[in-house]
Amino acid sequence: DAGVIQSPRHEVTEMGQEVTLRCKPISGHNSLFWYRQTMMRGLELLIYFNNNVPIDDSGMPEDRFSAKMPNASFSTLKIQPSEPRDSAVYFCASSFSRTGRGTDTQYFGPGTRLTVL
Amino acid sequence: GNSVTQMEGPVTLSEEAFLTINCTYTATGYPSLFWYVQYPGEGLQLLLKATKADDKGSNKGFEATYRKETTSFHLEKGSVQVSDSAVYFCALTSGSSNTGKLIFGQGTTLQVKP
Repeated sequence: DAGVIQSPRHEVTEMGQEVTLRCKPISGHNSLFWYRQTMMRGLELLIYFNNNVPIDDSGMPEDRFSAKMPNASFSTLKIQPSEPRDSAVYFCASSFSRTGRGTDTQYFGPGTRLTVL
Repeated sequence: GNSVTQMEGPVTLSEEAFLTINCTYTATGYPSLFWYVQYPGEGLQLLLKATKADDKGSNKGFEATYRKETTSFHLEKGSVQVSDSAVYFCALTSGSSNTGKLIFGQGTTLQVKP
């Protein structure tokens, strides 16, 4: 099993540019999560999907951020326009939620380190 | 709302020392509790979990017991190694959740010196 795949691993861009982060969850998983990690704010949940449907996007910082999951094997997180304060490591995670009690393990990808100059 | 509080780091220990990282939580219902570990430059990975009161999760010499009476899930290891140096996150999911949403603590950095 390849695990959760994220691309790119590193992204350096200039303020105002559009950034697209990509995630391929583990095959068969039905929940997908996008997190942001910074020294100042720690690990924050941005949005999560269940069966490709966005369930909770209350963590998305502002309208510049958007996420899609067009099918069970692919998701994107887009920032447009990007700002220096968006610099962070962005993680994607997936899980298979079957118990109805939230006990299922989330598997994290290696992350995308974004630097906005 | 649900929340997790961890002891502040960094925690610095010598090799073979005993480790405790405190974690307490606030939650409604019957949450499941987790410890995740993040090694430098990597994503988080599950270390252990417990799904009901008095359960003990264990893995790689680490242990944590779900204590409902004290709302705690402290992480322990009897003898740490340099390779245990990492950031440790306590987390919970709501017992009523059917999508696996996790609420994380702020993380505790562990540094083990030879």
